[in-house]
Amino acid sequence: AQTVTQSQPEMSVQEAETVTLSCTYDTSENNYYLFWYKQPPSRQMILVIRQEAYKQQNATENRFSVNFQKAAKSFSLKISDSQLGDTAMYFCAFMKHGYNNAGNMLTFGGGTRLMVKP
Amino acid sequence: GAGVSQSPSNKVTEKGKDVELRCDPISGHTALYWYRQSLGQGLEFLIYFQGNSAPDKSGLPSDRFSAERTGGSVSTLTIQRTQQEDSAVYLCASSLDSRWAYEQYFGPGTRLTVT
Repeated sequence: AQTVTQSQPEMSVQEAETVTLSCTYDTSENNYYLFWYKQPPSRQMILVIRQEAYKQQNATENRFSVNFQKAAKSFSLKISDSQLGDTAMYFCAFMKHGYNNAGNMLTFGGGTRLMVKP
Repeated sequence: GAGVSQSPSNKVTEKGKDVELRCDPISGHTALYWYRQSLGQGLEFLIYFQGNSAPDKSGLPSDRFSAERTGGSVSTLTIQRTQQEDSAVYLCASSLDSRWAYEQYFGPGTRLTVT
């Protein structure tokens, strides 16, 4: 079974500054996906960024980037130039890489509540 | 609409009553997932449907929980004899098919409160 741990229940950052959210995971799989999802008060889960384990290059999406350390099983999210609209819950998630109908569910961490202050 | 829709948005029910939660996936998406988000358990997988294949029910917490998917599209999650610990947000997601499971699109969820 896979586990995902987010050790920071809450974080805050000043607008325009940079913040890093931590995530560690445990798995015996070699091929998998890692995700960061954002959940604003509207409850809608929004995919922020995705990383495939076999890719060594860290994924980036505009102001969002990850630091993927496969050996350490670490997957942190860096938000640059933080904006008020980034205020939300952030969830780290894991999914096995499979081509059959099994194991395609997401396993989530406990979440980090991020507050961006003006 | 273009996204995953869920109804009702909020549901308050008395302990012991049955409830049905509905999910309309994105048109053309054959894979559908239910997750539960509760204070005590965090976000957890409940059940997964892929087309007409037998669903993966491995995440259902008890036999009071069941789900069906009619015509490969709309899904209903049913909770019988609700308990207070069933209070949670129930999220539905869909993907094009199981090969695209890494692109799951979520609905806005149903907040269930059991009094």
